[in-house]
Amino acid sequence: SQTIHQWPATLVQPVGSPLSLECTVEGTSNPNLYWYRQAAGRGLQLLFYSVGIGQISSEVPQNLSASRPQDRQFILSSKKLLLSDSGFYLCAWTSGQIGNQPQHFGDGTRLSIL
Amino acid sequence: DQQVKQNSPSLSVQEGRISILNCDYTNSMFDYFLWYKKYPAEGPTFLISISSIKDKNEDGRFTVFLNKSAKHLSLHIVPSQPGDSAVYFCAAREAYSGAGSYQLTFGKGTKLSVIP
Repeated sequence: SQTIHQWPATLVQPVGSPLSLECTVEGTSNPNLYWYRQAAGRGLQLLFYSVGIGQISSEVPQNLSASRPQDRQFILSSKKLLLSDSGFYLCAWTSGQIGNQPQHFGDGTRLSIL
Repeated sequence: DQQVKQNSPSLSVQEGRISILNCDYTNSMFDYFLWYKKYPAEGPTFLISISSIKDKNEDGRFTVFLNKSAKHLSLHIVPSQPGDSAVYFCAAREAYSGAGSYQLTFGKGTKLSVIP
């Protein structure tokens, strides 16, 4: 069966520090991968998605970036965090096959910027 | 511009009764709709979905209804149980248009509280 892992579960970082959040998927090949953010009192906002290694599409301009160095690995990064980057970050995957496929989410990373 | 709207931020229901969660959308290109359930400090869990070619999909206690003319969908939970207490997100996806599709647009969620 397929599983998705995100780490760390919680992270407290000072303003201006770098960020690296990692997400890996097991049990499937060539998944579509997604990074979402949920700010307090808001819905889920899509940040980045990837349909293959090295292919990244950004939905929201910001100081975050994403990379996909391997088929089942998706990384969210920042060189300098802002206070507004606080939130709950979720990674998700879906099958790369065409059709009606739900996205499946990891357990998320709670990021607090001080 | 919020394309998926869940106008009720919260809902309280007695155990054993029906819970009805509502969702409205504005984008006529949406053709696939999903409901997710989320507990605090966890990722959303997929519950049930419906394609635009259907108007109803049922899975155990969960039924999703789609009214395309009204651009409205609803999730019915019968009977409601205390373990159903969570935040429920409605999501929608546009018809497949090539590489890079499958992005979901989410509503802001409705917090359901099932009272024992």
